[in-house]
Amino acid sequence: GAVVSQHPSWVICKSGTSVKIECRSLDFQATTMFWYRQFPKQSLMLMATSNEGSKATYEQGVEKDKFLINHASLTLSTLTVTSAHPEDSSFYICSAEPLGTYEQYFGPGTRLTVT
Amino acid sequence: QKEVEQDPGPLSVPEGAIVSLNCTYSNSAFQYFMWYRQYSRKGPELLMYTYSSGNKEDGRFTAQVDKSSKYISLFIRDSQPSDSATYLCAMRSNTGNQFYFGTGTSLTVIP
Repeated sequence: GAVVSQHPSWVICKSGTSVKIECRSLDFQATTMFWYRQFPKQSLMLMATSNEGSKATYEQGVEKDKFLINHASLTLSTLTVTSAHPEDSSFYICSAEPLGTYEQYFGPGTRLTVT
Repeated sequence: QKEVEQDPGPLSVPEGAIVSLNCTYSNSAFQYFMWYRQYSRKGPELLMYTYSSGNKEDGRFTAQVDKSSKYISLFIRDSQPSDSATYLCAMRSNTGNQFYFGTGTSLTVIP
């Protein structure tokens, strides 16, 4: 149980385009999902907390207009990287918390490369 | 001072050794403590989840929390090459609105 999926697992896009990443909790409902990015050999960096039915809470230094988050249902959150630039290339990981717990279950990650 | 301190390693041990991984923290509001394992280019996997002080055992893994010392540990018995990964500690306050990850400890188990 407690499986989180992400799609796509990797994506290459051109500079200036937008990319959408989906995060789904497959066997549980999650009012809260989180989006992280991770650079090689570095720890997770929390970007934003996504709450179902309300606006996401962004961490300091994360541009909310660039990283659009939508949490439309209890099993799906999306992250859209708008007007992507090469410096946005990174490993993006989502996590989800089953209702009533603080256990975070992570997706497998999405590797974004912007050329 | 960082909220959570974790030695990044790297740590190399021979197969079969007992591994001890540790984190310290400064915020007494933390009540929930987790350990995650992350293989290269994969998402973290939840290994252990504990509330408040005490020990929790699951197979070869034992998590210990000492809130008086603000110190948590993960022990791995009979370590295997497949345990080679980065281990991250994480902790959260009772209200859930404060949580932090450690920077991770890189472990290699040598056959």
